[in-house]
Amino acid sequence: KQEVTQIPAALSVPEGENLVLNCSFTDSAIYNLQWFRQDPGKGLTSLLLIQSSQREQTSGRLNASLDKSSGRSTLYIAASQPGDSATYLCAVRDDYKLSFGAGTTVTVRA
Amino acid sequence: GAGVSQSPRYKVAKRGQDVALRCDPISGHVSLFWYQQALGQGPEFLTYFQNEAQLDKSGLPSDRFFAERPEGSVSTLKIQRTQQEDSAVYLCASSPTRTPYEQYFGPGTRLTVT
Repeated sequence: KQEVTQIPAALSVPEGENLVLNCSFTDSAIYNLQWFRQDPGKGLTSLLLIQSSQREQTSGRLNASLDKSSGRSTLYIAASQPGDSATYLCAVRDDYKLSFGAGTTVTVRA
Repeated sequence: GAGVSQSPRYKVAKRGQDVALRCDPISGHVSLFWYQQALGQGPEFLTYFQNEAQLDKSGLPSDRFFAERPEGSVSTLKIQRTQQEDSAVYLCASSPTRTPYEQYFGPGTRLTVT
């Protein structure tokens, strides 16, 4: 069974600092990896999707890397803002299912 | 266009009651998924439909949980004789293709069993 781990569980940084969020998974036979954002009481917003054949994906201030052989992905958020405060979840797709980590809760202090 | 919608957004049930949670996927989406998210955890897969066919129900935690999608669009997740451990957010997602590419999530239904 795929196990997805996210470290750290929580992170608090001052505004402007870069964020580094880590995700690891146990089975490297994945189709893709997706990073989501979840605000309190809300559903999941997809941020980036990296196919298994890709090494990284970028969108604005967000960059995600994928090292499938070592079972790791990292999400970088540049120049953090208070509006980036949320829980960030990574999920790996095995066939059709998504397996999620427990998330990293980020607080950006103004 | 409209995204995935779920109703009700919040549901409080007394232990032992039956509940029904509804998901309206994005129009035309073939695949539909249900996930359960306990407090402080990531979502866990419950079940998967391709059109009206339930292809995988391996994540349903007990035989008290039942899901259907009779016409290949709207889906209902039913929980019979609710227990406190059923308290969670239930998320629905849909995808446009037979082989799911990106899943689009609804806002979820928060179920509290008292």
